Amino acid sequence: QQPVQSPQAVILREGEDAVINCSSSKALYSVHWYRQKHGEAPVFLMILLKGGEQKGHDKISASFNEKKQQSSLYLTASQLSYSGTYFCGTGTGNQFYFGTGTSLTVIP
Amino acid sequence: DTEVTQTPKHLVMGMTNKKSLKCEQHMGHRAMYWYKQKAKKPPELMFVYSYEKLSINESVPSRFSPECPNSSLLNLHLHALQPEDSALYLCASSQGRGQETQYFGPGTRLLVL
Repeated sequence: QQPVQSPQAVILREGEDAVINCSSSKALYSVHWYRQKHGEAPVFLMILLKGGEQKGHDKISASFNEKKQQSSLYLTASQLSYSGTYFCGTGTGNQFYFGTGTSLTVIP
Repeated sequence: DTEVTQTPKHLVMGMTNKKSLKCEQHMGHRAMYWYKQKAKKPPELMFVYSYEKLSINESVPSRFSPECPNSSLLNLHLHALQPEDSALYLCASSQGRGQETQYFGPGTRLLVL
């Protein structure tokens, strides 16, 4: 039931773009995106509640394809501060599952 | 105030010890969660209290015992833990209405010797 993310890891230079994908074998009713820096707690980025929804703030955005049971996170013009592990998450109440995670490193 | 606090930040305990982790939020949230996170792995949900009602993850061993004294406080009582229980324990809270944002505390890093 855990969503699978790809890629597992990515290294970017400052200013480059990246896409992180999240796929589920079960129906997705909502998708959360979190970023966790080393040694810190996960921090909420955004939530998509319905198929076809797209959201974004600053230079990070996400889309949700309910039919394909997938969500993608887009990071444009990456900054050093974007480094961390990105998790998607799905579920409600007592059945919330984080995805497998994507480690993103931005280098100067 | 979107802060979830956890104490202690670090904890070292022996396998025969009894200890408790504490979590507090003052956002008026009605759902609180305990997660366990091993290194380089995603957080795994252990327990959820929603409107003071407990939902249990059946795979969590009984040596972990949650308690929710009121809607702002959440405890995790630890007894007879094993070295493999060493991990980061994260507390989170949300409004309690379903598919909503979870706000995480900084975590307690637990080492069982």
